[in-house]
Amino acid sequence: DGGITQSPKYLFRKEGQNVTLSCEQNLNHDAMYWYRQDPGQGLRLIYYSQIVNDFQKGDIAEGYSVSREKKESFPLTVTSAQKNPTAFYLCASSALGLAGAYEQYFGPGTRLTVT
Amino acid sequence: GENVEQHPSTLSVQEGDSAVIKCTYSDSASNYFPWYKQELGKRPQLIIDIRSNVGEKKDQRIAVTLNKTAKHFSLHITETQPEDSAVYFCAAPLTGGSYIPTFGRGTSLIVHP
Repeated sequence: DGGITQSPKYLFRKEGQNVTLSCEQNLNHDAMYWYRQDPGQGLRLIYYSQIVNDFQKGDIAEGYSVSREKKESFPLTVTSAQKNPTAFYLCASSALGLAGAYEQYFGPGTRLTVT
Repeated sequence: GENVEQHPSTLSVQEGDSAVIKCTYSDSASNYFPWYKQELGKRPQLIIDIRSNVGEKKDQRIAVTLNKTAKHFSLHITETQPEDSAVYFCAAPLTGGSYIPTFGRGTSLIVHP
């Protein structure tokens, strides 16, 4: 299970608090992604980054923020503006090569519960 | 952006039967189509993928077929086993220098022994 890690595995927060989820990879991948997984909804893209110090909004970015200060790290902050933050969050990374090395490697996920 | 439809949402089969899951996509420029398997409580993992220059790819009991004209691709699992029980996701990317995948909603495959 090495390569891409997320911490913590479970996270509990009170409503109104910001919380930051960690994602680290040692695969030397350029691209990193954050997904939210809800039952029956598949994997929905929150943010992605293809290079250090640059990131783009995905389909459901409202209420979330990210940073990409290092190639290995892509933390996600769930802010109090996110209306329904309780979910399973998955981080992924992939290499971007001319041959299209598109396989995504996923972390083990963080299950966030906000009450 | 890309729109990916995946069917069925749930598939129940007897051990030894075949299972087929289908995805359709909207962006004709898409050229890479992966399938991921997510076992209960675990992370999604790539099980097979296909590029637009081929129509079919096999790996033991699993195969993927691609119809670019109709913009759909399918996952085929033969001789299903209980350990095939999982949620399967397809994806289709926005390409053209970047890789921004859109995932289908997933298919929960249940293989009854």
